[in-house]
This record gives sequence, structure tokens and C-alpha cells, in this order.
Amino acid sequence: SQQGEEDPQALSIQEGENATMNCSYKTSINNLQWYRQNSGRGLVHLILIRSNEREKHSGRLRVTLDTSKKSSSLLITASRAADTASYFCATGTGNQFYFGTGTSLTVIP
Amino acid sequence: DGGITQSPKYLFRKEGQNVTLSCEQNLNHDAMYWYRQDPGQGLRLIYYSQIVNDFQKGDIAEGYSVSREKKESFPLTVTSAQKNPTAFYLCASSIVSAPAGYGYTFGSGTRLTVV
Repeated sequence: SQQGEEDPQALSIQEGENATMNCSYKTSINNLQWYRQNSGRGLVHLILIRSNEREKHSGRLRVTLDTSKKSSSLLITASRAADTASYFCATGTGNQFYFGTGTSLTVIP
Repeated sequence: DGGITQSPKYLFRKEGQNVTLSCEQNLNHDAMYWYRQDPGQGLRLIYYSQIVNDFQKGDIAEGYSVSREKKESFPLTVTSAQKNPTAFYLCASSIVSAPAGYGYTFGSGTRLTVV
């Protein structure tokens, strides 16, 4: 299966701290994406990193990709209570993506 | 505003009943997808369609059926053959003709419960 696996399953931090979550996958990919899901809602696309990129930034988000280790990390800096959500990585080729089981992030005000 | 609309938000199904979940998009996206989400299992692909009148099975297609008669619409029917249909169903779309550099746009989901 190409499904990514996020680690840790759950993460609880204080507001203002940084949050790091990781994703590991099994097969070769064209790109890797990170999504956010608030409870009971649909997923929202956060950032995409291509297989030939090593690092990408978007606002308070920083994503790294290590294709040799088949892993990616998502860093959220200066976390806010509003960042509380589940975060998923999605891996795949072409337009079919497989999602991991997610990291549940709780930011305590 | 462009987006994906899923309806209804909540749906209750009796044993042995077929139910249809609606998914409509006005983003002019070619590809549409249906995922099922269960607690602790992430998202699993049910069906996807990259062009009108064509669709492919995903990993867990048994007990489900779809149609793609219009570009904007991709309804999912949960049949009585699906033995454990209680779940959160998510519809998504993407630009299939672009290079693999675009993400999915998701609807807000339908929560289906068997009563």
C-alpha cells in the first residue's frame, strides 16, 4: 500500500510552541501533500512538496521531504489554539492519492 | 464562490436500504473522488472518476456504486450489500489535466448512520 503513516498519533502542546509531525510512506511518489481537518469537517489542502524538492515553506508551515528515507515532516511554528485539528499526509502518483491515519494536534491556550 | 457541496450533512439508513449521497462541484475539475473515513483508519478510497461516463474502483468499492453523467456531479450510492456503512463520507475533486502539482478540494462530508 502507498498509504502514509503519521507519527505521533496525537500531540498536545502549549500555544506558542512549535508542533512537528512526521509521515512515512512505502513506495515512490511524485509528490506529497499535507492536509488539515477540523472535527467533523472536510479536509483542507495545506501544502504540496514535489519529489525533487527538499523543503518548502508556507506562512507558519514548513515541510521537508527525504525521498531516500521515504519520510516527510510538517512543522507548525508559533502554534495557536486555532491550529487544533487533525493533520494528514497524502502520497501518490498522478492524481490518485492515499492518506495516512493522521496526527491529532491539540494546542492548549 | 467555487467549491464542492455534499448533501445531506447527516443521513440515516435502515437495514437493507439503499441511500444516495450527493456531491456537486462548480470548480470545473475533471476528477472526482469518494472517500470513507472511519475513526483511527484515515481515509480510504471508494471510487474515483477522471472523466464523464468513466469511473474506477478504489480500495473498498464493494457495496457501493457511482455514476458520472455530468462533469459537476458524482453521486455515491451505498447499497444494502455494504454491511458496515456507518462512517463519514468525503467527496473531493482535482484538476486531472494539470501536472501532478495540485491538491484535492474536499466537500464538508456526509455522516451516514445505520439505524
